[in-house]
Amino acid sequence: DAGVIQSPRHEVTEMGQEVTLRCKPISGHNSLFWYRQTMMRGLELLIYFNNNVPIDDSGMPEDRFSAKMPNASFSTLKIQPSEPRDSAVYFCASLRDRHDYEQYFGPGTRLTVT
Amino acid sequence: AQTVTQSQPEMSVQEAETVTLSCTYDTSESDYYLFWYKQPPSRQMILVIRQEAYKQQNATENRFSVNFQKAAKSFSLKISDSQLGDAAMYFCAYRTLTGAGSYQLTFGKGTKLSVIP
Repeated sequence: DAGVIQSPRHEVTEMGQEVTLRCKPISGHNSLFWYRQTMMRGLELLIYFNNNVPIDDSGMPEDRFSAKMPNASFSTLKIQPSEPRDSAVYFCASLRDRHDYEQYFGPGTRLTVT
Repeated sequence: AQTVTQSQPEMSVQEAETVTLSCTYDTSESDYYLFWYKQPPSRQMILVIRQEAYKQQNATENRFSVNFQKAAKSFSLKISDSQLGDAAMYFCAYRTLTGAGSYQLTFGKGTKLSVIP
């Protein structure tokens, strides 16, 4: 298996622009997570899906952030409009099922908003 | 809410020596998982070791072992025979096994480990 795939690996955009991050989980995994990593706040959960349904989005910082999972093999995290404070590394992770223990992380997307 | 604390922002160790990274957590749950993840400069998150709270025996994976003290809510990672490739950020993480939050990980702020040749 190719593991969790994220694209793009790097994104540089200007303030006010829309940014879309993409994730393909491992085939057969039922849960998908979006995390954000910054120096100040560390790794924090933004949202997670189980069987394509959002379960907990309490970590989404504001309405500018939205996430979708239209099918079991694809998810997006969108920021509109982007701001410099959104600059971070965004990770996607997947979990086979709640009885499994290991979340598998993608390589992350480094977002820079200027 | 659960919290995870790593009190050592940075640590260093001589190659071939042993180092211990500290982690404490706060929870009212009795059943949960604890993890150590490694993040090298490539930024890929790699699972190093896990511990189920119901198990009294400390987990071991080759040169990596943990000291799990449930009553004290402490979960330290010991790296023996340190190698240059062990240099990375290390994150302690907690996962409950009950309720809607039983899927997600709560991370500490991390410890940056340097290995001195």
